[in-house]
Amino acid sequence: DAGVIQSPRHEVTEMGQEVTLRCKPISGHNSLFWYRQTMMRGLELLIYFNNNVPIDDSGMPEDRFSAKMPNASFSTLKIQPSEPRDSAVYFCASSFDRQGDNEQFFGPGTRLTVL
Amino acid sequence: SQKIEQNSEALNIQEGKTATLTCNYTNYSPAYLQWYRQDPGRGPVFLLLIRENEKEKRKERLKVTFDTTLKQSLFHITASQPADSATYLCALDTGGFKTIFGAGTRLFVKA
Repeated sequence: DAGVIQSPRHEVTEMGQEVTLRCKPISGHNSLFWYRQTMMRGLELLIYFNNNVPIDDSGMPEDRFSAKMPNASFSTLKIQPSEPRDSAVYFCASSFDRQGDNEQFFGPGTRLTVL
Repeated sequence: SQKIEQNSEALNIQEGKTATLTCNYTNYSPAYLQWYRQDPGRGPVFLLLIRENEKEKRKERLKVTFDTTLKQSLFHITASQPADSATYLCALDTGGFKTIFGAGTRLFVKA
């Protein structure tokens, strides 16, 4: 298996532009997570899906952020409009939920820089 | 809300020694606790999971303990090697599918 795939790996954009990050989870996994990592705040959960349904989006910073999972093999995280404070590494992770367990497999991340 | 505390200062040890990292949490005891390793420029990689009814879990040179009275988990790497140098993250279950991560502790193993 190729693992969790994220694209792009790096994104540099200007303030106000729309940014779309993409994720392909591991085949057979039914939970998908979007995280943001910065030096100041560490690894923060933004939103997670189970069976393609958003379960908890309480970590999404504000209305400028939105996430979708149209099918089991694809998810997007969109920022519109982007701001310099959104600069961070964004990780997607997937898991196969078993009771009492939640080992997550992380993608390589997308490093976002908003100028 | 649940908070996780990991030593923000880097841990420097000599090759061959045992590294011990600490994870403390503040509120309710989670059903399970996980440890991940993260290398620069990469995503975290799962290492071990320990459940609330387990005191200790081992995997090769790794050992994790879980003390619900102290609200603490210890992560040990025995016979450490320079290749063990990385950031180690503690993660707690908060119910359902959700886990929260600590800020991580950087480990440097010197040859």
